[in-house]
Amino acid sequence: QVQLVQSGTEVKKPGAAVKVSCKASGYVFSTYGITWVRQAPGQGLEWMGWISAHNGNTNLAREFQGRVTMTTDKSTSTAYMELKSLRSDDTAVYYCAISWGVPADAFDIWGQGTRVTVSS
Amino acid sequence: QSVLIQPPSASETPGQRVIISCSGGNSNIGINSVNWYQRLPGTAPKLLIYRDNERPSGVSDRFSGSKSGTSASLAISGLQPEDEADYFCGAWDDSLNGPVFGTGTMITVL
Repeated sequence: QVQLVQSGTEVKKPGAAVKVSCKASGYVFSTYGITWVRQAPGQGLEWMGWISAHNGNTNLAREFQGRVTMTTDKSTSTAYMELKSLRSDDTAVYYCAISWGVPADAFDIWGQGTRVTVSS
Repeated sequence: QSVLIQPPSASETPGQRVIISCSGGNSNIGINSVNWYQRLPGTAPKLLIYRDNERPSGVSDRFSGSKSGTSASLAISGLQPEDEADYFCGAWDDSLNGPVFGTGTMITVL
């Protein structure tokens, strides 16, 4: 079945970088763009950006531009999100998601989430 | 960071109906579809409603959505203990050129 499987929990120090992976299966990887969303403790969901799995084009949320890099590897059907210059308020659960059977503004397939803790 | 405003919590007894509101603006709900998600503790969000009032395959018809102007609502009828979760609204925002989400509403089944 259609599935997104993310990499495991990360603990990082302030100023470091984290790279989260999202491995897709059950569909043709290049057909659907990958959206990245995060949820900080006690906060709502926050959109980080989107990457086309077809050509690598990205649409990044303004507040993350310059700090986030989104890439894909078609050979392994895997998307990556790297966030640099980590701060304590980057502590959150990070999700990848796709709009598989629904319009592009809704997300019906989600990864299980990757918990990232930023602490000195 | 959440652009769409929801009440933080609501509670109701089993079998009853609960309604969750989501308030936005002219750049998001006012001109684009609203989606609703359920997040059970420790799990990824699950899409309940898309395009204001459509349910993905497999989602119970106890969940229904509506929209009017710059606000939307999710109704859960016949409330069950397993409905105890966090519920988020979402909509595309033309100013942001990306999706925005609600602050989340925690539903407690008494």
